Amino acid sequence: QKEVEQNSGPLSVPEGAIASLNCTYSDRGSQSFFWYRQYSGKSPELIMFIYSNGDKEDGRFTAQLNKASQYVSLLIRDSQPSDSATYLCAVKGEYGNKLVFGAGTILRVKS
Amino acid sequence: DGGITQSPKYLFRKEGQNVTLSCEQNLNHDAMYWYRQDPGQGLRLIYYSQIVNDFQKGDIAEGYSVSREKKESFPLTVTSAQKNPTAFYLCASSMFGGVYEQYFGPGTRLTVT
Repeated sequence: QKEVEQNSGPLSVPEGAIASLNCTYSDRGSQSFFWYRQYSGKSPELIMFIYSNGDKEDGRFTAQLNKASQYVSLLIRDSQPSDSATYLCAVKGEYGNKLVFGAGTILRVKS
Repeated sequence: DGGITQSPKYLFRKEGQNVTLSCEQNLNHDAMYWYRQDPGQGLRLIYYSQIVNDFQKGDIAEGYSVSREKKESFPLTVTSAQKNPTAFYLCASSMFGGVYEQYFGPGTRLTVT
């Protein structure tokens, strides 16, 4: 059974700090990895995806992938109260186009 | 505006009634998906479709049915056989190819009493 695991949180960080969100996955054949942000009562919004080992940066967000250790992380620099949301990690397996989602990490940025 | 629309936003039904949730996309995406989200939980895949007139069961298909008669539309019917239908239902779509990133509609919150 493919699994994607995230710490449910809440992760609390002060405004301006770096928030670090982690995700581990069990399927070694996984190819693509996605981070979604979901505000309370709303649908998930794609922040970024990564498929190669290393870092990928987009504005204040950096995704990090380590396939050997089977984890992917999301760093949010200069965290703002508007970043307070649930962050979902999703993983695409080796075949097909289905995504497996983690249960999400609640992030709270305190001003 | 390109995007995914779901209607209605809120839906209330009595137990024993079938209900159909609408999902339309104008992104020219090939694949469409239905997920269910319960409080404090991740998304669980109900059904997905990669091409018109073809669809596959996801992890929790029992009590649900779908159709894909047009590329733009992928309606979901929640039948009376679904034991716990109250949930937040999300429709998504993706291109077929590349990294298959999925984009979500605004969701339909279904309450069955």
